[in-house]
Amino acid sequence: GAVVSQHPSRVICKSGTSVKIECRSLDFQATTMFWYRQFPKQSLMLMATSNEGSKATYEQGVEKDKFLINHASLTLSTLTVTSAHPEDSSFYICSARDRAGASGEKLFFGSGTQLSVL
Amino acid sequence: QKEVEQNSGPLSVPEGAIASLNCTYSDRGSQSFFWYRQYSGKSPELIMFIYSNGDKEDGRFTAQLNKASQYVSLLIRDSQPSDSATYLCAVRSAAGNKLTFGGGTRVLVKP
Repeated sequence: GAVVSQHPSRVICKSGTSVKIECRSLDFQATTMFWYRQFPKQSLMLMATSNEGSKATYEQGVEKDKFLINHASLTLSTLTVTSAHPEDSSFYICSARDRAGASGEKLFFGSGTQLSVL
Repeated sequence: QKEVEQNSGPLSVPEGAIASLNCTYSDRGSQSFFWYRQYSGKSPELIMFIYSNGDKEDGRFTAQLNKASQYVSLLIRDSQPSDSATYLCAVRSAAGNKLTFGGGTRVLVKP
């Protein structure tokens, strides 16, 4: 299947700092990538849909000025958590769909980033 | 009402038995249905996807879809301890571009 690479896998930072998470599709082009957040023992909640070359679409309740998304190329999307606070501590996961490939509608996930804000 | 609902579990099954997981969804226009397995601290991995009513089998896994009743299920035959994980049901509507996930069912397979 298609490979989605996500870095870093774990981040520990001080409150008030900004953290950037990268998501790359390694062997396919992803015009759309999705960013999810998962709190302990809860399911994945979609934060935003990242569209190459255009502004991201944010889900209701997600602050676009706090969670900056850039999708500058067909293989890279970044999520920046600005001025992170302890309540932003969560597992962040990106995903992408290989529309052109044989995988059809299947969504491939990155390995996730565990963010801990002290 | 949540868009995609699952029993949170834990569903405890003995090794070798069949684990049966259910998922209901509210959007009658939903077209694509997925089952993901997620181990603790890891990202989800796709197990099965199904688009049409009926059963779809892949190895020890069988997905069942009933659009009229708006439910999709997953059967795990000959359950193994390595199957112990959280299983997430995900649904994509015809109109949307995104997947909506259920809360997940935790499965514990006891040796």
